[in-house]
Amino acid sequence: GAGVSQTPSNKVTEKGKYVELRCDPISGHTALYWYRQSLGQGPEFLIYFQGTGAADDSGLPNDRFFAVRPEGSVSTLKIQRTERGDSAVYLCASSLTGGPYDEQFFGPGTRLTVL
Amino acid sequence: QKEVEQDPGPLSVPEGAIVSLNCTYSNSAFQYFMWYRQYSRKGPELLMYTYSSGNKEDGRFTAQVDKSSKYISLFIRDSQPSDSATYLCAMSALRDDKIIFGKGTRLHILP
Repeated sequence: GAGVSQTPSNKVTEKGKYVELRCDPISGHTALYWYRQSLGQGPEFLIYFQGTGAADDSGLPNDRFFAVRPEGSVSTLKIQRTERGDSAVYLCASSLTGGPYDEQFFGPGTRLTVL
Repeated sequence: QKEVEQDPGPLSVPEGAIVSLNCTYSNSAFQYFMWYRQYSRKGPELLMYTYSSGNKEDGRFTAQVDKSSKYISLFIRDSQPSDSATYLCAMSALRDDKIIFGKGTRLHILP
């Protein structure tokens, strides 16, 4: 079956621009997660959605980062006024119901480069 | 001190060798321990998980947790070139939804 998909696979932008990254979770999965993976590091939690609502956004680094999931399926991560330090791979994951015991399935990521 | 410490490697071993990968952690609230494998330009995939201290075996892979020492390990027996990847340890607390990952260890199995 189809896994988690993310678009675009690569995004190059200039400092100060706005970007949107899209995640399509596995059909029927109610929980959706965004992580950021910098070079040589493990994924770092950003935000967790349960259905349409953000259940935990404690990992968002600042107010330039925002994410939505309006219909409880597709999610968009939005970054305003991008900075060079935002360059990383942004990973999306989904799980059936959420919670620590529920396996998270990861997408291939969007590689963001801010020039 | 980071919550989860993992040596980034790289670690190079000959095909057929036993590989030992390790992580230490500082948060005693962690109760759920995982190992993910990540191939280049792919997302992580869950390899093994365990809830408690002790060993768990799955084919060539054995996960070991020692909560008293806050130390977890992954052993790979009869290593194959296809095992070459980055291995990420990860853990979470019982009432927490987020996973905390280690840096990952890059493993190369030499044919």
